[in-house]
Amino acid sequence: EVVLTQSPGTLSLSPGERATLSCRASQSINSNYLAWYQQRPGQAPRLLIYGVSSRANGIPDRFSGSGSGTDFTLTISRLEPEDFAVYTCQNYGSSPLTFGGGTKVEIK
Amino acid sequence: EVQLVESGGGLVQPGGSLRLSCAASGFTFSNYCMNWVRQAPGKELEWISYISPSSSPIYYADSVKGRFTISRDNAKNSLSLQMNNLRAEDTAVYYCAGDLARSPRWFFDLWGRGTLVTVSS
Repeated sequence: EVVLTQSPGTLSLSPGERATLSCRASQSINSNYLAWYQQRPGQAPRLLIYGVSSRANGIPDRFSGSGSGTDFTLTISRLEPEDFAVYTCQNYGSSPLTFGGGTKVEIK
Repeated sequence: EVQLVESGGGLVQPGGSLRLSCAASGFTFSNYCMNWVRQAPGKELEWISYISPSSSPIYYADSVKGRFTISRDNAKNSLSLQMNNLRAEDTAVYYCAGDLARSPRWFFDLWGRGTLVTVSS
């Protein structure tokens, strides 16, 4: 099973700042099958990125994904008020599907 | 509006049963793969079941195999999860999640807001 470790657990930033979130896999993820989701309290999770770097429909270009092998990054170039949320990575390159523990981006 | 809405959660005793439902709207439900994903308090998201557009094949996580049954009614745009022999460790928010493709890609384009299942005596 691929274990995904996200860091930091919490990121305290101000609107307009850049956010860099890390997702590290316990083994190489096949074909770069890694996705990122955003979860706001009380709302449905939202797909942001799939295939490491492809933005889902309607996702603003301030969100970008990068990485390969075991190390992946989600970058939010300039934080908007609605971006303060929990971000979770997902491995879908091998069974079982696994998710990381999440990084909370909070307002500083 | 494209959306998924779960219902049916609640408090149930260990060993009991519960049936969750997910109502789909705003898209051609019958064309797409559907899943259930859960999140226990303070834990990571956990994929638990998949169903193809035609209801075959179906897959389950080992943690629920033999106890949970996924099904769908394409005429009613509805997805269900029958949960039997519930355990305390099944306590979680259960999400309906759509993989909006005719063949599984194994990531999820559309999610509902979830329904809380609490297993406790």
